[in-house]
Amino acid sequence: KAGVTQTPRYLIKTRGQQVTLSCSPISGHRSVSWYQQTPGQGLQFLFEYFSETQRNKGNFPGRFSGRQFSNSRSEMNVSTLELGDSALYLCASSTLTSAFSYNEQFFGPGTRLTVL
Amino acid sequence: TQLLEQSPQFLSIQEGENLTVYCNSSSVFSSLQWYRQEPGEGPVLLVTVVTGGEVKKLKRLTFQFGDARKDSSLHITAAQPGDTGLYLCAVPYSGAGSYQLTFGKGTKLSVIP
Repeated sequence: KAGVTQTPRYLIKTRGQQVTLSCSPISGHRSVSWYQQTPGQGLQFLFEYFSETQRNKGNFPGRFSGRQFSNSRSEMNVSTLELGDSALYLCASSTLTSAFSYNEQFFGPGTRLTVL
Repeated sequence: TQLLEQSPQFLSIQEGENLTVYCNSSSVFSSLQWYRQEPGEGPVLLVTVVTGGEVKKLKRLTFQFGDARKDSSLHITAAQPGDTGLYLCAVPYSGAGSYQLTFGKGTKLSVIP
C-alpha cells in the first residue's frame, strides 16, 4: 500500500506571496491532519479534515486554511506569507478518528517551505 | 507552557553506548506514543503505551510508561548509527470533534561510529 504523499517536497517563496501544499492520504484513509514543524516550536497541529469537513483547528492565524476533496486528498493554503512561516509542513492520514477513539496517524515526508 | 517536556534536547554518543531519553508532563494521559523522525522524512510511530507501569520492548529499544501515566522513558541499549534521528513523544489530545496529536519538542540523537 502506498504511503502518504506530499507535493511539492520543497518550495521557496517570498514574503507576501501565497502557497498551496497538497497531500494524498493512504488509500482508504478519510482523515487528514496537517502539522507545522519548526526548530523553535516543534510539531504543532494545524487542522484536521474528515469527509471534506474541518473538524478541529489548532492555534494558527486565519492566513492558514485548508480543504479536503471527495477523494480524501487535501490541500492547505497559506496567504500573505511571513518569514516565520518557514517550516516543514507535515500531513498525516488515518482511517477514522472521533472524539472517543484514536487511530494511528501515518505521516508523509513533508513539504519544506522557505520564505525569503 | 509545553504540555510534554522532553529531555535532553540534544544527545551525542558513541556507538555501543546506552542512553535514556525522557518525556514528562504534569497531566495524566490515557496513552502516549513515541516516534522517530529521520532527516527529510515524517515521524514514524515506534510504540504506543497505554497502561501505567507498562514496559514495551522493540529490539534494543525499551519504552516505559510511568505508574501515574504522566511520564515516559525510552532506553536504547548498545546504540548504533542507524538509531540517529529525532525522538518525539506525543499524546492523542481530544479536540473539538476529533483527536489531534500533541508533541514534545523532541530529543535529537546522534550516534557516532
